[in-house]
Amino acid sequence: TQLLEQSPQFLSIQEGENLTVYCNSSSVFSSLQWYRQEPGEGPVLLVTVVTGGEVKKLKRLTFQFGDARKDSSLHITAAQPGDTGLYLCAGAGGTSYGKLTFGQGTILTVHP
Amino acid sequence: GAGVSQSPSNKVTEKGKDVELRCDPISGHTALYWYRQRLGQGLEFLIYFQGNSAPDKSGLPSDRFSAERTGESVSTLTIQRTQQEDSAVYLCASRPRLGGRSNEQFFGPGTRLTVL
Repeated sequence: TQLLEQSPQFLSIQEGENLTVYCNSSSVFSSLQWYRQEPGEGPVLLVTVVTGGEVKKLKRLTFQFGDARKDSSLHITAAQPGDTGLYLCAGAGGTSYGKLTFGQGTILTVHP
Repeated sequence: GAGVSQSPSNKVTEKGKDVELRCDPISGHTALYWYRQRLGQGLEFLIYFQGNSAPDKSGLPSDRFSAERTGESVSTLTIQRTQQEDSAVYLCASRPRLGGRSNEQFFGPGTRLTVL
């Protein structure tokens, strides 16, 4: 059974601060995804990382996949209130049909 | 709209009653997934459909849970004799095809189930 440990579970910061969310596992994943979910809606994909050591940037968000493809991080620079939401990491691997294993999620609140 | 839709958006039921939750995937998406999400937490895999067959039902919590899919379209998740611990948001996702590197799943807004 593949497990993903996501931390921290809660993050409350002021506008303009930087933050990092971590996703760790003892299992290797073929790819790892980060989703953002707002209240009353389903998760929306932010990025997929596939190659060990890969770094992807999406405006103020930087995503990194560990060299061994067991861990990942999401770094947000100069957080804004609009970044508030639930961030989820999800790993794919072990099946041929894209079954995802989700982390527990990080609830981010950015105060103006 | 061309997204995944789910109905009802909210369902309140009494303990012991049966409920049916519906998912309409994006047209042409062959793969369909059901997940359960407890408040503020990650998603728990329930079942996967490829077309109308379900090769992976390993996440269904008990035999009170079942799901069906008609062809490559609508899916219904049924919970019999609901219990309070079944209260959660039930999310459906679809995916255009297997293979490829993206693995992106497109999620519906979910059905919030409350069992009193």
